[in-house]
Amino acid sequence: LAKTTQPISMDSYEGQEVNITCSHNNIATNDYITWYQQFPSQGPRFIIQGYKTKVTNEVASLFIPADRKSSTLSLPRVSLSDTAVYYCLVDYSGAGSYQLTFGKGTKLSVIP
Amino acid sequence: DTAVSQTPKYLVTQMGNDKSIKCEQNLGHDTMYWYKQDSKKFLKIMFSYNNKELIINETVPNRFSPKSPDKAHLNLHINSLELGDSAVYFCASSLAYEQYFGPGTRLTVT
Repeated sequence: LAKTTQPISMDSYEGQEVNITCSHNNIATNDYITWYQQFPSQGPRFIIQGYKTKVTNEVASLFIPADRKSSTLSLPRVSLSDTAVYYCLVDYSGAGSYQLTFGKGTKLSVIP
Repeated sequence: DTAVSQTPKYLVTQMGNDKSIKCEQNLGHDTMYWYKQDSKKFLKIMFSYNNKELIINETVPNRFSPKSPDKAHLNLHINSLELGDSAVYFCASSLAYEQYFGPGTRLTVT
């Protein structure tokens, strides 16, 4: 059974870099890794997506090691407005199957 | 100019009733989804629908059925509602891997 695992919560002070790691041991060759952010009473919002090595956009970086069994979302210099739940999503396409599996979410609390 | 919209935002109903939640996207996306988010905030995919191909999560009870009148709409019908169906239901759409989520419908079954 495909599984996506991430820490339940993390705390960080404003201005620090935050790294959230997701484990996805059953990831297959064609599967992508995507991260979403969710604020209370809102739908999840796309942050970043990657396949291997490193991807960077204006809000985050995503690091994926060569074996692709994990990925790390990096948020540089967090602010109070980054307090949210962050979800890792892997599309376990496998051989003809189709499973979109979210991790259970990491609640990030940014402290002043 | 909302990208993905859902109605209603809140839905309170009694056990045994049948209800529907509507979803519309104006992004021209090919694939639409329904997710259930429970009280612990776990997001679980229920269905995805792409060019008339329906992919079902086999753990979803057959009381739940998606209906797509056209590419821009994917409605969720729920029959014989149960207490355990209480949750927030999110609709989403995508062209490739990036999904755009609606604001959610909070369903409360009493």
